[in-house]
Amino acid sequence: AQTVTQSQPEMSVQEAETVTLSCTYDTSESDYYLFWYKQPPSRQMILVIRQEAYKQQNATENRFSVNFQKAAKSFSLKISDSQLGDAAMYFCAYRSSYGGSQGNLIFGKGTKLSVKP
Amino acid sequence: NAGVTQTPKFQVLKTGQSMTLQCAQDMNHEYMSWYRQDPGMGLRLIHYSVGAGITDQGEVPNGYNVSRSTTEDFPLRLLSAAPSQTSVYFCASSGDRAGETQYFGPGTRLLVL
Repeated sequence: AQTVTQSQPEMSVQEAETVTLSCTYDTSESDYYLFWYKQPPSRQMILVIRQEAYKQQNATENRFSVNFQKAAKSFSLKISDSQLGDAAMYFCAYRSSYGGSQGNLIFGKGTKLSVKP
Repeated sequence: NAGVTQTPKFQVLKTGQSMTLQCAQDMNHEYMSWYRQDPGMGLRLIHYSVGAGITDQGEVPNGYNVSRSTTEDFPLRLLSAAPSQTSVYFCASSGDRAGETQYFGPGTRLLVL
């Protein structure tokens, strides 16, 4: 079974600086998808970024980028120019490329990010 | 476009009471799921459906029932609430192609006394 591990329960960053959140996963599959979701205090789950395992190029979305290391099974999220609105819980998630029961998201336990003004 | 909607937003139940958490989506998604979120545990899958009339269990299904009579709706039923079911519940939906992004509802906070 696949697992997702976020080893940093809490992180802190100064406004305008850069922070990297770590995520590792375990799978025997070669084709899969990885996601980072943001959960602000409103509790809404918001997709930040998505990565297809078959793509070598790291995904980017404005100030958010990932460092995807397939061999190491690592999927870290880098937030550049941190803003106060980035303060939230961040979840890393894995989704198999297969359907059925394997098609659901498997989440890490989350990293709580604080942004200091 | 409402996306994924959930009702109620907050509910208090007494032990042994039953209730239904509603979930609806207007994106014509085949895939729908229910997750619960507990402190320090991330989100865990309760039940899911790959289409109308088809449901299956996830990681933590005990104490919950689901049905999927239409593509749009996927209600979650608590038959006899227990304090251990105090949690935040999220409904999510996605298309059925591999790796499609799941979109989440706003969540329902449930407190069982």
